[in-house]
Amino acid sequence: DAGVIQSPRHEVTEMGQEVTLRCKPISGHDYLFWYRQTMMRGLELLIYFNNNVPIDDSGMPEDRFSAKMPNASFSTLKIQPSEPRDSAVYFCASSFQGTTEAFFGQGTRLTVV
Amino acid sequence: AQKITQTQPGMFVQEKEAVTLDCTYDTSDQSYGLFWYKQPSSGEMIFLIYQGSYDEQNATEGRYSLNFQKARKSANLVISASQLGDSAMYFCAMRALSGGYQKVTFGTGTKLQVIP
Repeated sequence: DAGVIQSPRHEVTEMGQEVTLRCKPISGHDYLFWYRQTMMRGLELLIYFNNNVPIDDSGMPEDRFSAKMPNASFSTLKIQPSEPRDSAVYFCASSFQGTTEAFFGQGTRLTVV
Repeated sequence: AQKITQTQPGMFVQEKEAVTLDCTYDTSDQSYGLFWYKQPSSGEMIFLIYQGSYDEQNATEGRYSLNFQKARKSANLVISASQLGDSAMYFCAMRALSGGYQKVTFGTGTKLQVIP
């Protein structure tokens, strides 16, 4: 298996623009997680899906953030409009069942200028 | 509330020596999993080792072992025979399933530097 695949690896955008991050989880995994990593706050769980259904989005910082999982092999995290404080590394991770290990993608480094 | 504490912001170890990275946790859940991840300077998060709360034996994966002491709520990572490539940030994490919701918490990390 190719592992969790995220795109793009790097994204530089101007404040106010829409940004879409993409994730393909490992085939057969039923949980998908979106994380954000910053120096100030460390790793934060934004939202997770179970069997394509969003279960807990309490970590999503604002209404500017939205996430979808239209099918078992694809998820998006959208920020609209983007702000400089959204600059971070965004990770997608997937796992099988409840409390087993999650495997991370390479991450997307987002810079909003 | 669920909490992970890593008290060592930075550690040094001589190449070929063993090193222990500390992790303590707090949870009221009975069923949970504990994990260690490695994040090299390139940025990816690499899964190292997993310990389930009901596992009686300590987990081992090659040079990595997890010293699980449930009564003390500690889950220390032991790296044997350190290599230069082990230099990285190491994160301890916990997942629990409670009331139908996943709770995931990461520690603040320990930066390990292996000295030749």
